[in-house]
Amino acid sequence: AQSVTQLDSHVSVSEGTPVLLRCNYSSSYSPSLFWYVQHPNKGLQLLLKYTSAATLVKGINGFEAEFKKSETSFHLTKPSAHMSDAAEYFCVVSDPTGANNLFFGTGTRLTVIP
Amino acid sequence: KAGVTQTPRYLIKTRGQQVTLSCSPISGHRSVSWYQQTPGQGLQFLFEYFSETQRNKGNFPGRFSGRQFSNSRSEMNVSTLELGDSALYLCASRLGGANTEAFFGQGTRLTVV
Repeated sequence: AQSVTQLDSHVSVSEGTPVLLRCNYSSSYSPSLFWYVQHPNKGLQLLLKYTSAATLVKGINGFEAEFKKSETSFHLTKPSAHMSDAAEYFCVVSDPTGANNLFFGTGTRLTVIP
Repeated sequence: KAGVTQTPRYLIKTRGQQVTLSCSPISGHRSVSWYQQTPGQGLQFLFEYFSETQRNKGNFPGRFSGRQFSNSRSEMNVSTLELGDSALYLCASRLGGANTEAFFGQGTRLTVV
């Protein structure tokens, strides 16, 4: 079965400092993994995706994530936080069986302190 | 290329009424999924349609239903509205395969009073 655990419900960083949002997954198959961002009262926007190519994936707005199979992790990082990064972030795993379901983590709210 | 369009953006309904929400996916995308998002429950999967057939269904009561048309546009209907149905309803479209990303609409904010 597929599942996603986001280890922190809330992360707070100062502007200009690194961001680390943690995600662990469980999958019986080779997973496809995604990170999405949601600003208040908006839909979800794709930040990046991993689909069994390079393990270090670069996304939009300076974000990147590294797929580590041995640790079943897909943590999201950014070297320097910007005020506009304040939002909710979701880690998502895709079920590669015929069901094609997406499994969402519970989200991590990122606060950026000026 | 136009994104996913959801209408209306905001709705206020009274308990007991019914509501229909609409979603137009990205052109060429055949998979449309619906999600309910609330502060307490987070993002919950409602159902997925692919080529006019419901392919998956989440754990919601029968008051929640949907359909997909031949042009891939989808509607979801909620009958006999309850206060707890107040939520942001998100629609997502995908090209199809498991390694394809979902593109989300802006959502419909439903308030039941």
